[in-house]
Amino acid sequence: QSALTQPPSVSGSPGQSVTISCTGTSSDVVSYNRVSWYQQPPGTAPKLIIYEVINRPSGVPARFSGSESGNTASLTISGLQAEDEADYYCSSYTSSSILLFGGGTKLTVL
Amino acid sequence: QVQLQESGPGLVKPSDTLSLTCDVSGYSIKSNYWWAWIRQPPGKGLEWMGYIFHTGSRFYNPSLESRVTMSVDTSKNQMFLRLSSVTAVDTAVYYCARSHCSSATCYIDNWGQGTLVIVSS
Repeated sequence: QSALTQPPSVSGSPGQSVTISCTGTSSDVVSYNRVSWYQQPPGTAPKLIIYEVINRPSGVPARFSGSESGNTASLTISGLQAEDEADYYCSSYTSSSILLFGGGTKLTVL
Repeated sequence: QVQLQESGPGLVKPSDTLSLTCDVSGYSIKSNYWWAWIRQPPGKGLEWMGYIFHTGSRFYNPSLESRVTMSVDTSKNQMFLRLSSVTAVDTAVYYCARSHCSSATCYIDNWGQGTLVIVSS
């Protein structure tokens, strides 16, 4: 089964930008419109922040953006704020109609 | 505004079957969405367990397929999870969720608050 790899942790200071990567082990995992991103502050349920690689649901700040290149999807958070400190998970929809999650990345705002 | 609320025993004995209910309100479970279960062991990442359509079509995580059963009751707007032969590694927060899926994409757009299930004698 394909997997999604994320860095365990990233950090940045307020106002800076950080990028979290999500790399698939096969080409069908990170492709087309299959990738979504979720934010999970401590003690809360995850929340959708990016879907179909680049789209933001209503209410999600434009500071959050998604992109994709080859087998890697990325989430960029610009103008970091203290409230952005959370765990972030990527997810991909495989050709077998299965959802995969990455291992998660802990974002620390310094 | 769709709301999802999980309920069920917070403590299950090893080798028993874990059973959870998800009450869906504010939206019909007979709509064009897939209804999912996701779990998260304490301090660890998310694991997709599977999802079900109101017609009964379903997909399960291959790693759990031999032990998991999902179902829906459209008359009560509820979905259900059963996980058999549980062990300590099944201790987790269990989330029910709504999934927006098509042939080309699938993402989870609404989550329940989650319920902690501990497997212990």
